[in-house]
Amino acid sequence: AQSVTQPDIHITVSEGASLELRCNYSYGATPYLFWYVQSPGQGLQLLLKYFSGDTLVQGIKGFEAEFKRSQSSFNLRKPSVHWSDAAEYFCAVGAPNSGYALNFGKGTSLLVTP
Amino acid sequence: SAVISQKPSRDICQRGTSLTIQCQVDSQVTMMFWYRQQPGQSLTLIATANQGSEATYESGFVIDKFPISRPNLTFSTLTVSNMSPEDSSIYLCSVVQGGAGYTFGSGTRLTVV
Repeated sequence: AQSVTQPDIHITVSEGASLELRCNYSYGATPYLFWYVQSPGQGLQLLLKYFSGDTLVQGIKGFEAEFKRSQSSFNLRKPSVHWSDAAEYFCAVGAPNSGYALNFGKGTSLLVTP
Repeated sequence: SAVISQKPSRDICQRGTSLTIQCQVDSQVTMMFWYRQQPGQSLTLIATANQGSEATYESGFVIDKFPISRPNLTFSTLTVSNMSPEDSSIYLCSVVQGGAGYTFGSGTRLTVV
């Protein structure tokens, strides 16, 4: 069955430290891959997306993600976290053979400490 | 990319009643999706609503509870029927347009009392 896994429910990092949020998927072919961020009481904001091509994708707010086919992963990274990055992060996956609907991971809650 | 107008943005409803949520898209799109986000949870796909065909529901969601209308390529409605407090959630519509990717409505925050 197709699935999206975000292994870390909560992550705490110090402001200025680097960040990596993990996302693994199980799909039959190379899917479309997304990272969204949601602040409390707010809507979804797209950070970045991967459809094809260069496996290192640059997004907004200094985020990047790397698609690794061999590991079925699409991990999100940021070299230096700001307090304003505290939010819920969702990895989402879609594919033609699943009708293009996005399948969301359960999310990772990021806490940034001073 | 498409722009979606979703209404209402929020509502407080009595249990046992129904609420219809509307999504209007500024361009024609074939595929539209409806999601639910329960408090503190991730997004879960309710159904896919493609124009010209019956909506396809995911496991755990049924047409009697969540009837969907898709009369044309720019509009869709989701009705939450016979509501209970467990239906309190954010409901979102979404469309996909080839290389433009996915667009989400701003969501409807529903509270059932």
